[in-house]
Amino acid sequence: AQTVTQSQPEMSVQEAETVTLSCTYDTSENNYYLFWYKQPPSRQMILVIRQEAYKQQNATENRFSVNFQKAAKSFSLKISDSQLGDTAMYFCARGGTSYGKLTFGQGTILTVHP
Amino acid sequence: DVKVTQSSRYLVKRTGEKVFLECVQDMDHENMFWYRQDPGLGLRLIYFSYDVKMKEKGDIPEGYSVSREKKERFSLILESASTNQTSMYLCASSLVQGARANEKLFFGSGTQLSVL
Repeated sequence: AQTVTQSQPEMSVQEAETVTLSCTYDTSENNYYLFWYKQPPSRQMILVIRQEAYKQQNATENRFSVNFQKAAKSFSLKISDSQLGDTAMYFCARGGTSYGKLTFGQGTILTVHP
Repeated sequence: DVKVTQSSRYLVKRTGEKVFLECVQDMDHENMFWYRQDPGLGLRLIYFSYDVKMKEKGDIPEGYSVSREKKERFSLILESASTNQTSMYLCASSLVQGARANEKLFFGSGTQLSVL
């Protein structure tokens, strides 16, 4: 099975600092999408950022940016100026098969401390 | 914004009961999905549907079935609930754009099911 691996079960960071969450994936496709989703305690999954594999430029969304290394099949999320509201479970996901199915990683619990 | 609504936030059932989890989306999305979320395992796909009355097995379909009689509604059925089906269940939908699914999923807020 094609997998997505998040090797950090838990991370913590001080407010206003920067943290990077790691993700590696497996795929045999050349054209695919990668995502980071956030799940706060409310349980509502929120799309944080999305990267299209054929684009060389790393995606950014305000304080969130990715480091996409296609050859290494690596897709890390960097959160700058961390805020208390960033405390959540973060999931990395890969798409690219038919019908929009996503394969998710195990998740990383991020805690931002004041 | 797209709204995906799951009928129950928490549910407690007995072993052997037939359980229905309901999901409704309000944006005319073609694709709908049922995922199961367990600690340390992330989200795993149970079933998905790409059209009314159409369904496909995901990665862990055993013990589950689904129904999609109307485009906006996708139901997950546990024919005979077992304790190993205690989990968080997440419904999601997505729009098809052009020749390819958009792949941005919109999620419901989940149903925490406990089977005793």
